[in-house]
Parts: sequence; structure tokens; C-alpha cells
Amino acid sequence: KQEVTQIPAALSVPEGENLVLNCSFTDSAIYNLQWFRQDPGKGLTSLLLIQSSQREQTSGRLNASLDKSSGRSTLYIAASQPGDSATYLCAVETSGSRLTFGEGTQLTVNP
Amino acid sequence: GAVVSQHPSRVICKSGTSVKIECRSLDFQATTMFWYRQFPKQSLMLMATSNEGSKATYEQGVEKDKFLINHASLTLSTLTVTSAHPEDSSFYICRRDRGNEQFFGPGTRLTVL
Repeated sequence: KQEVTQIPAALSVPEGENLVLNCSFTDSAIYNLQWFRQDPGKGLTSLLLIQSSQREQTSGRLNASLDKSSGRSTLYIAASQPGDSATYLCAVETSGSRLTFGEGTQLTVNP
Repeated sequence: GAVVSQHPSRVICKSGTSVKIECRSLDFQATTMFWYRQFPKQSLMLMATSNEGSKATYEQGVEKDKFLINHASLTLSTLTVTSAHPEDSSFYICRRDRGNEQFFGPGTRLTVL
């Protein structure tokens, strides 16, 4: 059974700091890994999707890496802003379009 | 703009009543939709896969007679929580895919008193 773990559970940083969120998964037989953002009481917004054959993806200040063999991914956020405050979820897709989510990292960026 | 909508966004009901949540695919016909549940401070857990024109597939531990899913058309799937109890209070989110992209609804907050 696939299990996804995210560390840390919560993170509070001052504005402008660079930060790294971690995600690990137990079964390396994945199609892709995706990072989502969830604002309080809202749905999910996809940030980055890394296919299993890829090593990283970048979008603006966000960079996500994937090491499938070790079952790890990181989300790097550069020059963090208060607007980045949200919960970040990592999910891996396996057969049957099944997404398994981690419990998320709650990020607070203080002005 | 939003491609998946949910209604209602928030509902409060008394214990024992039934609540229907709608998930609409606004721009694409979806033969398959997914229903998730998220308890506070926890991750999204897949409840069931909704298939247009056929029975839904439920995850282990999810009661199909309590969580009724009807995928009546290619743009609408409904989840009915029957005889709701306080432990059913949660955030319910639907999802539909287009190609290899996933689109989630904005969620429905259910509070059962």
C-alpha cells in the first residue's frame, strides 16, 4: 500500500526566506508526483507535476525535484512571500488514476 | 476559470438527515469523477470513483449505502450522505481528469450537528 509522508507538518518563516518542503513515498512504482496548494477551506490548485521519467520541474519561484528510486521529492520555494502561506500537499499517482496524498505542510510566511 | 464546481460550498445539518453534494464538470464531459474526504489537519482520502452510467467503485471501509453516488450525466456527479452523523463532518472534494491533468472542485464543508 502506497504511503506518502510530508515533513515538516508546519513551517513558519519570515518573508524573503528560501525554504524546502519534503515528501517521501513508499512505493516507487508511480506514474507521476504532483505538488498542490490548498488555501483554508478551499480546493486544490496544482503547482507542479513531475512525470516519473523526469527529475525536476520549475515554475516561477517554485522548483520541485523527484528521486523516484529513493522515493523522495522536494519543493523549493525561493524568496517566500506572505501570499505563499497555505498548505502544500504532495500526491503520487499510481495505476487506475489513483492519487495518494500526504498530510501536507502548513506554511506561514510572516511579513 | 473554474472547470469543476461544487454545490453547496457549505452545509450545516442536523444528525439523521441526508445531504446531497453536487460536482459539476463545467468544460469537459467526464465519464469518471472521484470523491475525496478530508478531515481537519489530515490528508485527502479517496472515498469512491464515480462512473457515468454504472455503479461507483468504493474504497475499502467506505459504506456504499451511506455515501450514495450517482453519476447521472457526463457533467454531473452527486454524493449523498445519508443519515448523517457528527463524525461525517468533513470537507468533501470532487475531482475530474482531462488527459493527465487533474482538476479539483472547491470543496464542500459539511457540518453535522
